[in-house]
Amino acid sequence: SYQLTQPPSVSVSPGQTATITCSGDTLESSHACWYQQKPGQSPVLVIYQNSQRPSGIPERFSGSNSGNTATLTISGTQAMDEADYFCQAWDSSLYVFGTGTTVTVL
Amino acid sequence: QIQLQESGPGLVRPSETLSLTCSVSGGSLRRSAVYWSWLRQSPGKGLEWIGYIYFTGSYKYNPSLKSRVTMSVDTSKNQFSLNLKSLTAADTAVYFCARDLGASEGFDPWGQGTLVTVLS
Repeated sequence: SYQLTQPPSVSVSPGQTATITCSGDTLESSHACWYQQKPGQSPVLVIYQNSQRPSGIPERFSGSNSGNTATLTISGTQAMDEADYFCQAWDSSLYVFGTGTTVTVL
Repeated sequence: QIQLQESGPGLVRPSETLSLTCSVSGGSLRRSAVYWSWLRQSPGKGLEWIGYIYFTGSYKYNPSLKSRVTMSVDTSKNQFSLNLKSLTAADTAVYFCARDLGASEGFDPWGQGTLVTVLS
């Protein structure tokens, strides 16, 4: 099935900025959402409509979408941000997800 | 705040039908412009959207699963359900239900998920 492309892993030092990309043709005409998933837990929505944060999500999480690439940025990364991150978009007649990125805080 | 909880068997035999129910608490299923989705996650295929249902009973399924999926909603019990037939080992996954706020709005919240293993 069709998936959006993400890098498998991103490493970041505490306090630095983590950048996760998500690529796919559908992103040129669709908004992106992003989810955080910690081991053994359900995904949590952290960004919707490309750049909007749900209530309760820290300001250090931000998003953007340009061309066929959406980006999730975590500024001032904390140890608690270590998790898997997935992008998601709508493609014609179904929702599609990214391949997932593991963020490691070293 | 709204919460979702999946229930159903953890082990199903090949060729049989999986039946899962999602119970919604803290809010009503009967919300305008809110859809109720099923998704699954397996190590080999990542996250996959199965389909959604609206409180009126209208629905949309993933084309890749459409021939095997049936969803229903019971507003009196504030529940919605998934039936997936003709199971194979490839259907082994953690199954989630989630509130679907629309194409740009995302899935929020998700249920805790239930592991379904297809095994003879």
